[in-house]
Amino acid sequence: GESVGLHLPTLSVQEGDNSIINCAYSNSASDYFIWYKQESGKGPQFIIDIRSNMDKRQGQRVTVLLNKTVKHLSLQIAATQPGDSAVYFCAEDSGNTPLVFGKGTRLSVIA
Amino acid sequence: DADVTQTPRNRITKTGKRIMLECSQTKGHDRMYWYRQDPGLGLRLIYYSFDVKDINKGEISDGYSVSRQAQAKFSLSLESAIPNQTALYFCATSDRIGTSGANVLTFGAGSRLTVL
Repeated sequence: GESVGLHLPTLSVQEGDNSIINCAYSNSASDYFIWYKQESGKGPQFIIDIRSNMDKRQGQRVTVLLNKTVKHLSLQIAATQPGDSAVYFCAEDSGNTPLVFGKGTRLSVIA
Repeated sequence: DADVTQTPRNRITKTGKRIMLECSQTKGHDRMYWYRQDPGLGLRLIYYSFDVKDINKGEISDGYSVSRQAQAKFSLSLESAIPNQTALYFCATSDRIGTSGANVLTFGAGSRLTVL
C-alpha cells in the first residue's frame, strides 16, 4: 500500500545548527509534498510545499529537497532556533484525495 | 478570531456517552476534514467532506459519524464513546483543488477528548 513515513522519530540539535528532517514516500504519482509544523498545544501549521516536478524549493530559513529517484523528501532548517522546537509532519498530496500524513519527527532545540 | 474553531477544546466523558465535537470555519473553504492524533501514530483521517452534500469515510471511521450542516460547519459525533477513542481530534479545511496549487490544510487548535 501507499505510505508516507519518516526515518527519525526524534531529532535534537544545538541552537544555531542546521536541522534536517527526512521523509520517505511510496506514491510516485503524488502531485505535491507538504511540510507542517505542530507546536505543543496547537494544530499543525503549513510551512512549505513542493511540486513533484521540482527538486528544491526555498523559503524563509527552510529548504525542501525532493529526490524522486529514491522517493525521499527532506526539510532543512537553517540556524535552528528554540522556536523551531516542534513536531514536523510531511504529507503527500495525490490530487483529489485527502492528504496522507507521516507519523512525525520531534525536533528539540538545545540552547 | 481563529479561521477554524473547534469546540469543546477539552472534554472528559464516560464510556457509553454520546459526544459531539463541533468545527466551524471562516475561510470559505469547500473541503473539511476530521483527523485523530495519537502519540506515535501521527494524524489519521476519520471523515472528510468536499462540499455540503458530500461525506466520505477515512481510514478510521468506525465508531464515528459526521454531519456537514453548512459550508462552514462540520461536526464529529461519537455515538457511544469508548476509552480507546481517547485522543486529540483536529478539524481542518482546504480550498478546492486547482485554485491554489497544493491542497494545503488549515487546522483548528484541536479538541482533547478523554473517555473514562
